Amino acid sequence: DTAVSQTPKYLVTQMGNDKSIKCEQNLGHDTMYWYKQDSKKFLKIMFSYNNKELIINETVPNRFSPKSPDKAHLNLHINSLELGDSAVYFCASSQGRGGDYEQYFGPGTRLTVT
Amino acid sequence: GQQLNQSPQSMFIQEGEDVSMNCTSSSIFNTWLWYKQEPGEGPVLLIALYKAGELTSNGRLTAQFGITRKDSFLNISASIPSDVGIYFCAGQWGQNFVFGPGTRLSVLP
Repeated sequence: DTAVSQTPKYLVTQMGNDKSIKCEQNLGHDTMYWYKQDSKKFLKIMFSYNNKELIINETVPNRFSPKSPDKAHLNLHINSLELGDSAVYFCASSQGRGGDYEQYFGPGTRLTVT
Repeated sequence: GQQLNQSPQSMFIQEGEDVSMNCTSSSIFNTWLWYKQEPGEGPVLLIALYKAGELTSNGRLTAQFGITRKDSFLNISASIPSDVGIYFCAGQWGQNFVFGPGTRLSVLP
């Protein structure tokens, strides 16, 4: 059973398009995250949701909009894609309470903007 | 903002050797986490540390939470080829996480 899953695995699109990445976790965790990993492998947190509520919103262009329909899902919608958006995007989840902050990552979505 | 430094940036070792890498920060963290990432995959949690001074093992891996809460190290004993990958440390405070830039490990047979 996959704990944290993301779709699609690869996404190639042109500048100016709008795209979405979906994430689901079956761990029963309360908190979900989106990370961006650039070509140098730096991992940077973008958003964090706890029980469908946005709790972290780092300095990310407002073209990026996360949506959490329920605590098991956190989707990322990106408007007007730019070349600099090309990266690998990871979803992660953690219990986020009771001192348990062990994060589990999905397999990543490699976004290429041409 | 908070930053983590990892050293070394990369290392090439012979199979069977022991490996040591560390992570430092100017800020205090509540939790230290160590992850391994292989090509095309997401980071996989190796060890989580919750208390200053805590020493935790997971098979051939041992990690410690520094007394000052500003650093952590990870040791790998008797390395094998499948240890190849990028090792990330991460510090947690509140609901936020900061990741180090990673240590790239290559194991030569």
